Amino acid sequence: GESVGLHLPTLSVQEGDNSIINCAYSNSASDYFIWYKQESGKGPQFIIDIRSNMDKRQGQRVTVLLNKTVKHLSLQIAATQPGDSAVYFCAENQENYGQNFVFGPGTRLSVLP
Amino acid sequence: DAGITQSPRHKVTETGTPVTLRCHQTENHRYMYWYRQDPGHGLRLIHYSYGVKDTDKGEVSDGYSVSRSKTEDFLLTLESATSSQTSVYFCAIKREGGSEQYFGPGTRLTVT
Repeated sequence: GESVGLHLPTLSVQEGDNSIINCAYSNSASDYFIWYKQESGKGPQFIIDIRSNMDKRQGQRVTVLLNKTVKHLSLQIAATQPGDSAVYFCAENQENYGQNFVFGPGTRLSVLP
Repeated sequence: DAGITQSPRHKVTETGTPVTLRCHQTENHRYMYWYRQDPGHGLRLIHYSYGVKDTDKGEVSDGYSVSRSKTEDFLLTLESATSSQTSVYFCAIKREGGSEQYFGPGTRLTVT
């Protein structure tokens, strides 16, 4: 089946630096993507989404970039803070085709003081 | 948090016993989902519901059943728990008019 997720288990960044978390997807028909943040012992928390008719979307301190040519998604976090430490994972979906999101395994972001 | 609660939050049970997990939402959302989360696999969809008494299977539905007799509650049942069903189970909802899903706090289930 189709799969999502670049297996990069951990990313360590210095507090105040920018973080970039990557995700590869293989289903070229996917047209909707979400980034989630999951803190230890908690449920995933929606961060930002993007549809395939866009290549960039910005939120508060976060930016998602979508490169459909190489089927790649990235999440950029500006001025990383200790509270950003968590597992981040992407999810893809064909928006008008069923309810099945495909989730990546996640990347653990550690913010160093 | 989209008004989602899950119960129990933790459960240890023995192989072969039935287990029911409950997801409760307070915002009258039509769509509800059950996922399991295992290391190295990411979240995988078990079953979902698109209204009262309307449910459908997800990617990993074998060994699980669901029921939705009222809008606010979506129950996941393991008829005869197996060790392979040891996992963290998350419930999610989707708001009307939106595509993103919002998750509950999870239930950690251990089958011994």
